[in-house]
Amino acid sequence: DVKVTQSSRYLVKRTGEKVFLECVQDMDHENMFWYRQDPGLGLRLIYFSYDVKMKEKGDIPEGYSVSREKKERFSLILESASTNQTSMYLCASSPTGVGNIQYFGAGTRLSVL
Amino acid sequence: AQSVTQPDIHITVSEGASLELRCNYSYGATPYLFWYVQSPGQGLQLLLKYFSGDTLVQGIKGFEAEFKRSQSSFNLRKPSVHWSDAAEYFCAVGAPGTASKLTFGTGTRLQVTL
Repeated sequence: DVKVTQSSRYLVKRTGEKVFLECVQDMDHENMFWYRQDPGLGLRLIYFSYDVKMKEKGDIPEGYSVSREKKERFSLILESASTNQTSMYLCASSPTGVGNIQYFGAGTRLSVL
Repeated sequence: AQSVTQPDIHITVSEGASLELRCNYSYGATPYLFWYVQSPGQGLQLLLKYFSGDTLVQGIKGFEAEFKRSQSSFNLRKPSVHWSDAAEYFCAVGAPGTASKLTFGTGTRLQVTL
């Protein structure tokens, strides 16, 4: 089975802190994604990566950055956390050429106080 | 760019009743179509997918969906709902050749009454 692991299920941070959300997949997938999920808005794509050190902005990249130094790991960084970044964050991975199927981690619920 | 509409925010059905969740998409050609389910506090699990061929696709947990090109729809169905089906359901569309990107609908929350 594909396994996508997000390092934390729950995080509480202070406004202005630098926050790292980590995601690891064990299936050698080329593509990895970060979404945020908010009630009534569904999943919105923040950033994605289709190869090591490659990244592209999604629909809502403002206030976020990402890092992919190794194929299996994709990190989401909040440089200076703000209260409007309180949300559920979901990581996903996907192999290339298999019809865009994405496999999801369990999510990280981030609260910024 | 593709888009997905799930017109029902919240649906309540009785256990044992049939279920249909609606999904409409916008895309110029035949897209890849997906239904995912999210149990409370969990990530998304793939229920079923459509790439091409037979327009009626079977998924896990007794779910099926039908692709209707003329209506740009991909509705999810189950003949008899179980209490454990209570969850949020997301329809998603992907465009072939787009590095596996998906566009998700806003979700439908299913409540099952006993």
